Amino acid sequence: NAGVTQTPKFQVLKTGQSMTLQCAQDMNHEYMSWYRQDPGMGLRLIHYSVGAGITDQGEVPNGYNVSRSTTEDFPLRLLSAAPSQTSVYFCASRTSGGASYEQYFGPGTRLTVT
Amino acid sequence: GDSVTQMEGPVTLSEEAFLTINCTYTATGYPSLFWYVQYPGEGLQLLLKATKADDKGSNKGFEATYRKETTSFHLEKGSVQVSDSAVYFCALSKTGGFKTIFGAGTRLFVKA
Repeated sequence: NAGVTQTPKFQVLKTGQSMTLQCAQDMNHEYMSWYRQDPGMGLRLIHYSVGAGITDQGEVPNGYNVSRSTTEDFPLRLLSAAPSQTSVYFCASRTSGGASYEQYFGPGTRLTVT
Repeated sequence: GDSVTQMEGPVTLSEEAFLTINCTYTATGYPSLFWYVQYPGEGLQLLLKATKADDKGSNKGFEATYRKETTSFHLEKGSVQVSDSAVYFCALSKTGGFKTIFGAGTRLFVKA
């Protein structure tokens, strides 16, 4: 049971480039989400999904796209990278069983945009 | 809207000192409350949780009590170790909702 996996671990992009951050979970969780973590700002929700084919925006969705074609995978796409997107990105998943259930986090992707 | 407020860090303690990290929340209804811990270079992992008023969550010597009357969920440990150095996040989630709301995190340094 690998839990939540993310690739790559580190990435450097030039302004204007696009890329996809990969996230996969093997726990059959319905809920998946993407957060960014910036110093002093905690975790901010980018996009989330409550099941395959269903996605919605979080607090800071601009500049990012997501899709959820399977229960396992939830990729995050940066359309045209900007220096403001330099951050650490975490994917998380959770069962839909109720609010008392914890989120499981991946190890993160550290992205630098120059 | 719903929110979580944590004491600002960093908190620096000597080994074996007593730890308190304050957390208060604003939410309607009866949220579930969590403490997550993030060790250097890793993702967050659940440390403990409480799902109703007066519940006490505990794990690895840490504990926190869900206080509805003061809307608080303070994290405590009687004797910290160098290995407890990490960032600690207080969080809440609500029945019927998907989102988890996180505090800003409190960084703890423990000196030998």
